[in-house]
Amino acid sequence: EVQLVESGGGLVKPGESLRLSCAGSGFTFSYYYMNWVRQAPGKGLEWVSFISSSSSYIFYADSVKGRFTISRDNAKNSLYLQMNNLRAEDMAIYYCVRETPDYNHIDFWGQGTQVFVSS
Amino acid sequence: QLVVTQSPSASASLGASVKLTCTLSSGHSTYPIAWHQQQPEKGPRFLMKLNSDGSHIWGDEIPDRFSGSSSGAERYLTISNLQSEDEADYYCQTWGTAIRVFGKGTKLTVL
Repeated sequence: EVQLVESGGGLVKPGESLRLSCAGSGFTFSYYYMNWVRQAPGKGLEWVSFISSSSSYIFYADSVKGRFTISRDNAKNSLYLQMNNLRAEDMAIYYCVRETPDYNHIDFWGQGTQVFVSS
Repeated sequence: QLVVTQSPSASASLGASVKLTCTLSSGHSTYPIAWHQQQPEKGPRFLMKLNSDGSHIWGDEIPDRFSGSSSGAERYLTISNLQSEDEADYYCQTWGTAIRVFGKGTKLTVL
């Protein structure tokens, strides 16, 4: 069974940092591209970042560029998102999302981890 | 700029059919899209990838009441024989070389 399990969410103050993790299982993690997608309370889905299978290609949404860093460890079947200088507008559920390199589409979602940013 | 546009809401009666529309921005009419469903209080689920020629790839265990089609810059998701569990937000999503883009979503109400 394919699973993506996020962790690391929590409550932080503006300006602080947080590191999210995502553990993949039930599939060949190293083969797939991965993304982080977030959803602010009551809002729609917003793409955050992309990383290719071997980490050769990394992209960010303008809203997080320079503050967030995506990475992966294929030996540990894990995806990460280092979030620095957090703002109130970063408060959201963060989803770990798999993307197939065969057809270049998102094909599986994790259940999400909640990030609260408040003073 | 790569953008996908969706109507904010739609409604239809139990057992009826509904057609949701996703429109690609000018210059991007040949792009593929993906449809994702988000039921209340749940995470999103991949429904299907839809190409400009109407060819598609389904997600796992998607009921055959769901179908997809394309016309020009528009991509459609049709749900037949609506069930109560189809009440959800439906997101259209596309992608470019260095970007992934989501529409604002269509909230489907089953009457």
